[in-house]
Amino acid sequence: ETGVTQSPTHLIKTRGQQVTLRCSSQSGHNTVSWYQQALGQGPQFIFQYYREEENGRGNFPPRFSGLQFPNYSSELNVNALELDDSALYLCASSLGQGASTEAFFGQGTRLTVV
Amino acid sequence: AQTVTQSQPEMSVQEAETVTLSCTYDTSENNYYLFWYKQPPSRQMILVIRQEAYKQQNATENRFSVNFQKAAKSFSLKISDSQLGDTAMYFCAFMDLRYSTLTFGKGTMLLVSP
Repeated sequence: ETGVTQSPTHLIKTRGQQVTLRCSSQSGHNTVSWYQQALGQGPQFIFQYYREEENGRGNFPPRFSGLQFPNYSSELNVNALELDDSALYLCASSLGQGASTEAFFGQGTRLTVV
Repeated sequence: AQTVTQSQPEMSVQEAETVTLSCTYDTSENNYYLFWYKQPPSRQMILVIRQEAYKQQNATENRFSVNFQKAAKSFSLKISDSQLGDTAMYFCAFMDLRYSTLTFGKGTMLLVSP
C-alpha cells in the first residue's frame, strides 16, 4: 500500500449539490495531482498542485477547484454536481515534479451523483 | 495534445503463460516517459514499469518487460509466467515532461485463469 489516503471512499450526492474530496499525500511529497476516472475509461487529469499553488489544469470546467495545504494534503471541490460527474476520483502524490519521481496513487473516492 | 490508444479491451491468459498488451501513442514531443500501471479491484493504481523515451534499451522489471518502438510510437507490455495476482486492468500512460502529468489509455482488462 502507498502512503496516500483518500476520504471518503464512497459518496452519493444529488445533482446540483457541492462535494469536497480529500487526499492525504505520502509523507514528504509536495505535489498532488487529481484525476477523474469514469466507468470503463482511463483516468483523466483534472489539475495539479505543487507547494500550494495550482500548477496545471486539464480540460475541466471552473466548478472543479482545489486546494493544497501547508502539510501538502489536498482537497478537490466540485460545485453544481452533474450526473456525468459520477466517477472514481484519484489522487496521486509525488516528491517534486517529473517522471523521475514516481507518483503514488490513493485508492480513490467513488462519487455517485443521482 | 497527446493521445494514448489501447486497442485490446480484454485479454485472457492461463497461469504460467506469456501475454502481451498493446499500446500506441501520438505526440510531437521528443522527450517523454511512458508507463504501464496496474489497477486491481482494490482500485489503487500501481506502477508496473517505466520507460524513458531517450533510452533505446527496453525496460524490464522481473516478469514484466516492454517493447518500446519510438519511431512507430508503440509501447507494448509483456508479462511472463503470468500469475493469478496479475488479474487487473492495465493502463498505458504518457508523461509530457513539461507538465509532469499523465495521459492514460482506456485500459486493457487482463484475466489470468488457473
